[in-house]
Amino acid sequence: NAGVTQTPKFQVLKTGQSMTLQCAQDMNHEYMSWYRQDPGMGLRLIHYSVGAGITDQGEVPNGYNVSRSTTEDFPLRLLSAAPSQTSVYFCASSPQGRTEAFFGQGTRLTVV
Amino acid sequence: QQQVKQSPQSLIVQKGGISIINCAYENTAFDYFPWYQQFPGKGPALLIAIRPDVSEKKEGRFTISFNKSAKQFSLHIMDSQPGDSATYFCAAGIRGGGNKLTFGTGTQLKVEL
Repeated sequence: NAGVTQTPKFQVLKTGQSMTLQCAQDMNHEYMSWYRQDPGMGLRLIHYSVGAGITDQGEVPNGYNVSRSTTEDFPLRLLSAAPSQTSVYFCASSPQGRTEAFFGQGTRLTVV
Repeated sequence: QQQVKQSPQSLIVQKGGISIINCAYENTAFDYFPWYQQFPGKGPALLIAIRPDVSEKKEGRFTISFNKSAKQFSLHIMDSQPGDSATYFCAAGIRGGGNKLTFGTGTQLKVEL
């Protein structure tokens, strides 16, 4: 099992560009989520999903879109990148009924 | 609004010493309190977790102490080793609520020889 796989690992964007951060898990987990990690602020929840076709907003959803068409994949879309979105992004998954989160290796995004 | 407050921000401990990291929460609906360990360039990994119906949980050198009335919990690392040098995050969530966790701001631990 690869666990939770995030691509790309690094990305530099110009202000106003759009992109999609990919997240895939092979553990058949129902729950998936996206967090951003900023210095001194810990991890903050952006969006989460409790199953295919079901998504909801977390603490800091503005500027991000998600969709969940399959159990395995949960992409995060930046519609128009801003410097404030410079961060490290982590995707996580959990089995249904469990709260234990398994994290990917992260994507370091820089918006210039 | 920081619902989970973590201290200290950084900690230096001598090899063999005890590392103690403290967290406090506000939301009484939380009933799952994990600690995550993160090495540079890696994602957080679950270290140990506790439910509020117990006051202490121990796994090897790692112990969580939980005080429900004070809404506080702490991580103790006994016999700290240089390999324990990492960033530690406390978190809080609701059991069965998926991986919707509220994290503390992190503690950077350095264990010196």
